[in-house]
Amino acid sequence: DTGVSQNPRHKITKRGQNVTFRCDPISEHNRLYWYRQTLGQGPEFLTYFQNEAQLEKSRLLSDRFSAERPKGSFSTLEIQRTEQGDSAMYLCASSLNVGQPSYEQYFGPGTRLTVT
Amino acid sequence: AQTVTQSQPEMSVQEAETVTLSCTYDTSESDYYLFWYKQPPSRQMILVIRQEAYKQQNATENRFSVNFQKAAKSFSLKISDSQLGDAAMYFCAYNAGNNRKLIWGLGTSLAVNP
Repeated sequence: DTGVSQNPRHKITKRGQNVTFRCDPISEHNRLYWYRQTLGQGPEFLTYFQNEAQLEKSRLLSDRFSAERPKGSFSTLEIQRTEQGDSAMYLCASSLNVGQPSYEQYFGPGTRLTVT
Repeated sequence: AQTVTQSQPEMSVQEAETVTLSCTYDTSESDYYLFWYKQPPSRQMILVIRQEAYKQQNATENRFSVNFQKAAKSFSLKISDSQLGDAAMYFCAYNAGNNRKLIWGLGTSLAVNP
């Protein structure tokens, strides 16, 4: 296992369509985070999981967004009825919450979403 | 409020010279960690250096070092002997609390001139 992977890398969709992104964390990492990064901005926290439990969701995560992490492995982020404002880079990161005091997060390459 | 401020949207440096990127933050937490991440164009976020808030000694990683001033809540990054490959967006961030989510600045775009 060489790192965090995300698929697809790029997604172009029409407004109103649903999209789903996948993140595969580093295998021994029990925490998984989703962030959104718009052009010229720093990433913003969306949600995170510890194992399979979703422990926190940002108020940025409207009811059109849903995330899952079945069995505490990979995670999916679904956006329903996409809007042009959803266009962004969606970043996934994973970390350990034991044995790693800094809880540093390792990032995937991101999924760039363009809503036309 | 949890905030990170990077006051320099853009910086440039000559190859082989030294550059310092500024960062200030605000948190009420006592247990937190500070990070500098590098994001090259169209490439993924890479951790450059980390600093434990409880440590007074400034972190160093090869050509990268920090100046951590806890009382001033300042955390600047110094890049020595700048290389062309250092050109990227640099983000300052910290994590704290049980969730350890990262709070980010807006970034500083660093150009390295040959």
